[in-house]
Order: sequence, then structure tokens, then C-alpha cells
Amino acid sequence: QKEVEQDPGPLSVPEGAIVSLNCTYSNSAFQYFMWYRQYSRKGPELLMYTYSSGNKEDGRFTAQVDKSSKYISLFIRDSQPSDSATYLCAMPSGGYQKVTFGTGTKLQVIP
Amino acid sequence: DVKVTQSSRYLVKRTGEKVFLECVQDMDHENMFWYRQDPGLGLRLIYFSYDVKMKEKGDIPEGYSVSREKKERFSLILESASTNQTSMYLCASTPRGLAGENSHEQYFGPGTRLTVT
Repeated sequence: QKEVEQDPGPLSVPEGAIVSLNCTYSNSAFQYFMWYRQYSRKGPELLMYTYSSGNKEDGRFTAQVDKSSKYISLFIRDSQPSDSATYLCAMPSGGYQKVTFGTGTKLQVIP
Repeated sequence: DVKVTQSSRYLVKRTGEKVFLECVQDMDHENMFWYRQDPGLGLRLIYFSYDVKMKEKGDIPEGYSVSREKKERFSLILESASTNQTSMYLCASTPRGLAGENSHEQYFGPGTRLTVT
């Protein structure tokens, strides 16, 4: 079983829709949760991070963590075509900040 | 802005060739990483380095070696390229704080798409 599982999609939604992207993880030691966004032919860039259970909001993006279920989510409100990208969840572990990445979910927002 | 650059965006090599992928970061970061990214497998760590001349194996080091002679530069070497090394290669870097704590935010380069034929 992989430490981090993520549905690869692709996920196609109309502009303005609410998008829900999810990851599950198996390692209880994970304490810090990140979401990266990767546009086509670019490297990933950090979108959001959170330490704790509950919700963290940043503009149209909300990161949600449920440690009891080992489940994290990223919600995108009022989705835009510019949100079309691959979204990767990521969790650091290990002394030298080794990061375990999900496989990524490809999102397409249709105008 | 942090900038991580990689020497080539696209590279085509023949089986058995020795391949060098170069990565340079301009923010004086201590830690540097090499990943490969494949569909359905995500990002997998090949090697990382926490200081000049220091290196640690990641999850899939077989067939690869690395070199870090200067703080800003981290090279990935494919000693004898094989077709199963066709992939997107991503370099990343992170800083270390004054108290020795490591930042978890990784700054990535644009990637090198390597094709081995």
C-alpha cells in the first residue's frame, strides 16, 4: 500500500464549479500537509500548507485535514480555467525533509 | 523570487550514453533534490544533498549518481542511460533556517524531459 493515495483523475468541471480534490495517507507520523499545483510543462509550486486538523482558507482555496480518518482535501470555489493544472498532495517526513507526494489529480476547468 | 534552473528542457539520448542533468539555484539553499515524475507513479526521490559534497540516496537511486561540488549546483548523472530512464526529471531546493530547521517548501525547476531511445 502506498503511503499517500490520490485519485489521478482527470477531473473535468465547468467554470464556476466547486472542486474537491482528495488524498488519503497511511502514516500516522505525518503532521504537516501541503498541496502543490503543477501547470503543464512546469515544475510544481506550493499552493497551501497546514499543520493541524480542520480548515485553512486562502482566497478561493480551502485545505481541510481530518487526521482521525487520515484524509485531506483541497476545495476550489468558483473554479476558473486558470485553475486547470495537476494538483499534488504532499507530506514531509524524515530528518532531511523528505517529502512523500501523491500521484497528482489532473483538473480541467471548462470555460 | 527563488529561481531553480535546469540545463535542458528536452533531451534525447541513446541507450548506453552517459547523461548529465544540471540544476542551479540562486537562493543559497542548503538542500537540493532530484526527482523523476512518471504518469501513475508521481514524484519519486532519486537523490538529495544537504550540503556541498554530501549526498543521500532517495527511494530509487539505482542507475543514477549525483555530484554537488558547489552549493548552488546539483548534478544528476545517468552512467549508462536505459530506456526505462525515459522520464521527466525535476530538481528542487529548500533552505535551512538559522536554528537548523528545514523548510518543507520545495522550490522546483521547470523539469527536463529526457527520452532514451
